Amino acid sequence: AQSVTQPDIHITVSEGASLELRCNYSYGATPYLFWYVQSPGQGLQLLLKYFSGDTLVQGIKGFEAEFKRSQSSFNLRKPSVHWSDAAEYFCAVGAKTSYDKVIFGPGTSLSVIP
Amino acid sequence: DAGVTQSPTHLIKTRGQQVTLRCSPKSGHDTVSWYQQALGQGPQFIFQYYEEEERQRGNFPDRFSGHQFPNYSSELNVNALLLGDSALYLCASSPGQSFLLSTDTQYFGPGTRLTVL
Repeated sequence: AQSVTQPDIHITVSEGASLELRCNYSYGATPYLFWYVQSPGQGLQLLLKYFSGDTLVQGIKGFEAEFKRSQSSFNLRKPSVHWSDAAEYFCAVGAKTSYDKVIFGPGTSLSVIP
Repeated sequence: DAGVTQSPTHLIKTRGQQVTLRCSPKSGHDTVSWYQQALGQGPQFIFQYYEEEERQRGNFPDRFSGHQFPNYSSELNVNALLLGDSALYLCASSPGQSFLLSTDTQYFGPGTRLTVL
């Protein structure tokens, strides 16, 4: 069965510091991988997605993620965090079955210290 | 383009009542999925509608039902509300039969916050 783990429930970083949010997935075939961000009271916004090809994926707002098949990981990175990046981040894995099934991880809450 | 819209924004109900939530998909999208997001958790898939049919269902009881209209908008109905149904309900739309096989993706609405007292 598909599953997604995000080992860090909460992370605090200083503004301007680099960021890495971890994501591990379990899926038998090549996964479709996503990172979403959710600000308080808001819906989910797609940051980036990996379907195939280059394992380093560029997204919006300066985020990038690297797919590592050998580690079953899809970690999200940003070289310099801004205060506006404080939000909840969700990693998700998709599977093409009879429909587009998407499983979300539990999320990592990011706080940014000015 | 208005994106995915949901109504109402917030809703308060009491146990045993019934509720209907509404979703209008992004222009050009014909597939609608519903998710439940409990506080502090990731979204969980409820069901998906395509061509006015429920195409797939997650692990939710029959108290949760839905409908898709010819204009692709959708409703989520929950009967006999329980305290545990309190959550943010998210609607997502996508184009065609599979967004995983296209260059497009699934877009989420802002959600409806349901509180059951």
